[in-house]
Amino acid sequence: DGGITQSPKYLFRKEGQNVTLSCEQNLNHDAMYWYRQDPGQGLRLIYYSQIVNDFQKGDIAEGYSVSREKKESFPLTVTSAQKNPTAFYLCASRDRGWLAGDPGELFFGEGSRLTVL
Amino acid sequence: SQKIEQNSEALNIQEGKTATLTCNYTNYSPAYLQWYRQDPGRGPVFLLLIRENEKEKRKERLKVTFDTTLKQSLFHITASQPADSATYLCALAPSGAGSYQLTFGKGTKLSVIP
Repeated sequence: DGGITQSPKYLFRKEGQNVTLSCEQNLNHDAMYWYRQDPGQGLRLIYYSQIVNDFQKGDIAEGYSVSREKKESFPLTVTSAQKNPTAFYLCASRDRGWLAGDPGELFFGEGSRLTVL
Repeated sequence: SQKIEQNSEALNIQEGKTATLTCNYTNYSPAYLQWYRQDPGRGPVFLLLIRENEKEKRKERLKVTFDTTLKQSLFHITASQPADSATYLCALAPSGAGSYQLTFGKGTKLSVIP
């Protein structure tokens, strides 16, 4: 089945540690996104990538880093510089049709819940 | 600044009734609007998309309206069922170069009571 796989589903981190969240998709989508969701908040964009080897900061990129070495993969690293990393992280992808004005839907993974101890 | 408001954090309705959720926006000129459903601990799932030049869209028991004058979208679920209980998110995007970025509302948690 085509889709997006995020791992791990649950992750615990000690303060001062970097952690990496995995996101893999087999939908052949060019664009991939990382969102953060906090209770009572909407989804906020961390980073997005429209094509391999290119990515852009979203609204809340500070304390996070990403890479896009393969079309299928868009890992997110939560660094020790992120002051409040406890949150639910969602990875999404979209077909490149939006570049031609066809909006298209976002396909989301099941999320990764990060807790800082 | 751009702002998206979904009418309430929570909405309780009786099974069989029509649920109506509201998404209002300010300082924004969206080219299209999307609605998603999110179950607890899961990723959102796309439901419907409506463009700025469309007034209404339907899909089975779902209906979305888009009024760019009122800056509002209404999302209706007719003949609601307990299985419709979830959080519903609206998301807006501008046209052109900015269309990569969807801005999400905080969501409305719908509970359908048997």
